[in-house]
Amino acid sequence: AQSVTQPDIHITVSEGASLELRCNYSYGATPYLFWYVQSPGQGLQLLLKYFSGDTLVQGIKGFEAEFKRSQSSFNLRKPSVHWSDAAEYFCAVGAGQAGTALIFGKGTTLSVRS
Amino acid sequence: GAGVSQSPSNKVTEKGKDVELRCDPISGHTALYWYRQSLGQGLEFLIYFQGNSAPDKSGLPSDRFSAERTGGSVSTLTIQRTQQEDSAVYLCASSFGTGTFEQYFGPGTRLTVT
Repeated sequence: AQSVTQPDIHITVSEGASLELRCNYSYGATPYLFWYVQSPGQGLQLLLKYFSGDTLVQGIKGFEAEFKRSQSSFNLRKPSVHWSDAAEYFCAVGAGQAGTALIFGKGTTLSVRS
Repeated sequence: GAGVSQSPSNKVTEKGKDVELRCDPISGHTALYWYRQSLGQGLEFLIYFQGNSAPDKSGLPSDRFSAERTGGSVSTLTIQRTQQEDSAVYLCASSFGTGTFEQYFGPGTRLTVT
């Protein structure tokens, strides 16, 4: 069965520092991978997605993620964090057919210290 | 354009009562999903509608939960005889369906069962 693991429940970084949020997935075929962000009281917003092709994908708000099949990982990165990036981040995997449900990780809460 | 909307934003109900949660998807989106977000379980898939096909109900936790989608647009999630463990944020998402996995989420309905 598909599953997603986000090993870090909570991460704190200083404003301006770099960020990497980890995500590992379990899926038999080529996965469809996503990162979503949820700010307090807000719905989920898609940051970026990977379907195929270039394994380094760029997203909104300066985020990027790299798909590494050998490590079953899809880590999210940002070179310089802003205070407004404080939020909860979810990694998700989709099944092989378009339109089916997403399986989410438990999320990583990011705090930013000034 | 308008995003996914959900109503009510908050609902407090007494144990044993029935509740209805509404979702208006993005116009033109053929796929609609319901998820539940709770502290203990994270984000869980509940049910998925695609066009006129039979819905995928594999995520519904019990037969007290049901959903319908009228006219291929608005959806209602109904929880009968609510229990305290039903307290959660219920999220709706929609997508263009076949060919893409990008799901756009609504702000959610926070359900509290007292």
